[in-house]
Amino acid sequence: EVQLLESGGDLVQPGGSLRLTCEASGFSFSNFAMSWVRQAPGKGLEWVSSITSTGNSPYYADSVKGRFTISRDNSKDTMFLQMHSLRADDTAIYYCARFSSSFDGVPQYYFDLWGQGTLVTVSS
Amino acid sequence: DTILTQSPDTLSLSPGERATLSCRATQGVYNYLAWYQQKPGQPPRLLVYDVSTRATGVPARFSGSASGTDFTLTISSLEPEDFAVYYCQQRSNWPRLAFGGGTKVEI
Repeated sequence: EVQLLESGGDLVQPGGSLRLTCEASGFSFSNFAMSWVRQAPGKGLEWVSSITSTGNSPYYADSVKGRFTISRDNSKDTMFLQMHSLRADDTAIYYCARFSSSFDGVPQYYFDLWGQGTLVTVSS
Repeated sequence: DTILTQSPDTLSLSPGERATLSCRATQGVYNYLAWYQQKPGQPPRLLVYDVSTRATGVPARFSGSASGTDFTLTISSLEPEDFAVYYCQQRSNWPRLAFGGGTKVEI
């Protein structure tokens, strides 16, 4: 079955750190660019970060740049999001999402596969 | 940055009725716009991309269109399972991706 499974969400104090993990299965993970998208409680969707299929190029939203680091291990079909200096407004469900891809493997920058999400709560 | 504004915030309709959801961009996004459906407690699901191409498995009652910077998702005849929140997303400013604020379709 094609799926993404996030883990690592937790309650953390402001200023703290957390590492999220996304495990992929059922498809050729190394052929796809991947992303993290978050959703604050009762709010809309916000793109957080993306990484190319090789892992060579990361991209970040301004709201997390300098605090979050995206990475991946294609040998383990896994992607990570290391989060530092967490703030209350980082509280959200964090979804792992796959970028759609053209027939020749070029990312189309739409999200065609999503995990169930992992909840990060930043509070004292 | 391109901002996407969705309207209305909430659409109250009955099964069998036609739903028309709007997404307006502050600048041209070409044909690089998608629509997602999200039900409570679930992740979003890709419905339509590149304005009007339905994703795999999406019923034909969902259709997308555009006129300049105004984009529309139409559900021709609402089924009970279509009551959800819908988001638009642009990719024209990659790597700065953006979503609209969402429209809730309720009974």
